[in-house]
Amino acid sequence: AQSVSQHNHHVILSEAASLELGCNYSYGGTVNLFWYVQYPGQHLQLLLKYFSGDPLVKGIKGFEAEFIKSKFSFNLRKPSVQWSDTAEYFCAVSPISGNTGKLIFGQGTTLQVKP
Amino acid sequence: GAGVSQSPSNKVTEKGKDVELRCDPISGHTALYWYRQSLGQGLEFLIYFQGNSAPDKSGLPSDRFSAERTGGSVSTLTIQRTQQEDSAVYLCASSGGGRQPQHFGDGTRLSIL
Repeated sequence: AQSVSQHNHHVILSEAASLELGCNYSYGGTVNLFWYVQYPGQHLQLLLKYFSGDPLVKGIKGFEAEFIKSKFSFNLRKPSVQWSDTAEYFCAVSPISGNTGKLIFGQGTTLQVKP
Repeated sequence: GAGVSQSPSNKVTEKGKDVELRCDPISGHTALYWYRQSLGQGLEFLIYFQGNSAPDKSGLPSDRFSAERTGGSVSTLTIQRTQQEDSAVYLCASSGGGRQPQHFGDGTRLSIL
């Protein structure tokens, strides 16, 4: 079965600390990869996506993620977090077969940044 | 508005009642998705509509759940004979199809008493 695993459920950091959120997926075929963010009281928003090409992708607000195919991983990073990054982060994959675009989400990671 | 609109934003109902949740996608978006966000289960795919094609219902948890999309635009998710485990936030998303990103609504928070 297809699944997405996010290793950290709750992360607490101080401002300016570096961030890395782990994401691994289980699927035998080719997938598109995404990170979504949900700020308090807001709807889900796309942070970044990977379809093909350079495995290091850059998104909004200084976030980046690296796709490592051999490890089935798509970890999210940010060199220096801000208080405004406090949110819930979701990794998601979309199998290319079937071309539906449906997303399979991880359980989410709550990031709390202390000022 | 320019975004995906869902109504109601909150719904409280008694166990056994039927509920209808509505989604207005972004104008011109051909693809529409329903997801459910619940404690312990995370975000789960429910159903997908694309144009006039048959919907992908593979994520619907039981036959009490159904959805339709009229005129290729507005969609309604119906839950019959609600159970307490149906309590969750139901999210709708739309996209231009293919590799276009999905845009999410604010969701409907459903509470079954």
